Amino acid sequence: DTGVSQNPRHKITKRGQNVTFRCDPISEHNRLYWYRQTLGQGPEFLTYFQNEAQLEKSRLLSDRFSAERPKGSFSTLEIQRTEQGDSAMYLCASSLQPGATTDEKLLFGSGTQLSVL
Amino acid sequence: AQKVTQAQTEISVVEKEDVTLDCVYETRDTTYYLFWYKQPPSGELVFLIRRNSFDEQNEISGRYSWNFQKSTSSFNFTITASQVVDSAVYFCALLADSGGYQKVTFGTGTKLQVIP
Repeated sequence: DTGVSQNPRHKITKRGQNVTFRCDPISEHNRLYWYRQTLGQGPEFLTYFQNEAQLEKSRLLSDRFSAERPKGSFSTLEIQRTEQGDSAMYLCASSLQPGATTDEKLLFGSGTQLSVL
Repeated sequence: AQKVTQAQTEISVVEKEDVTLDCVYETRDTTYYLFWYKQPPSGELVFLIRRNSFDEQNEISGRYSWNFQKSTSSFNFTITASQVVDSAVYFCALLADSGGYQKVTFGTGTKLQVIP
């Protein structure tokens, strides 16, 4: 397994357009997280999945944002009617459910950098 | 509610000096997990360590060491004999229960600059 994979790496879009990002977690990981990071800030939690169930959504996630994880494998994050304030790095991470093993790690992908013009 | 505080925004040290990055956390959970990540200029978040709340044993890995103290809710990170390649932003993070669900909360990061 090559780790958490995200694509595209970069996305430039015009305000008002819809965008979709994809995350492929480590195959045996049942938890998948989405985070957003802006310059000079720490990652902010957006949402997470346990298998295919979306267990929590941050208040940061407006109605324009939707995430799915069909069949508990890859996940997509869609932003509708993008705004300039959506410009950020969108990070995906995966892990096993904590407690399963003391060696468990929360591993991140390289992220998708979104620029809304 | 859970919170992670990294009070040091930016630190500069001269190469070969030791440096400690502070992390203070808040949670009502009795079971939780603490992480440190490194984010070099390339932007990728690199996992460094995970510590479980029920394991207060300190850990050393090469030039890196971590001091976990539940009594003060701190999980500090020390780099010994710093090198230029250590220059990065370092994030402390907490995984704990939040209203029945678990999520990872990050601190705001400490930018470390190692000067040759």
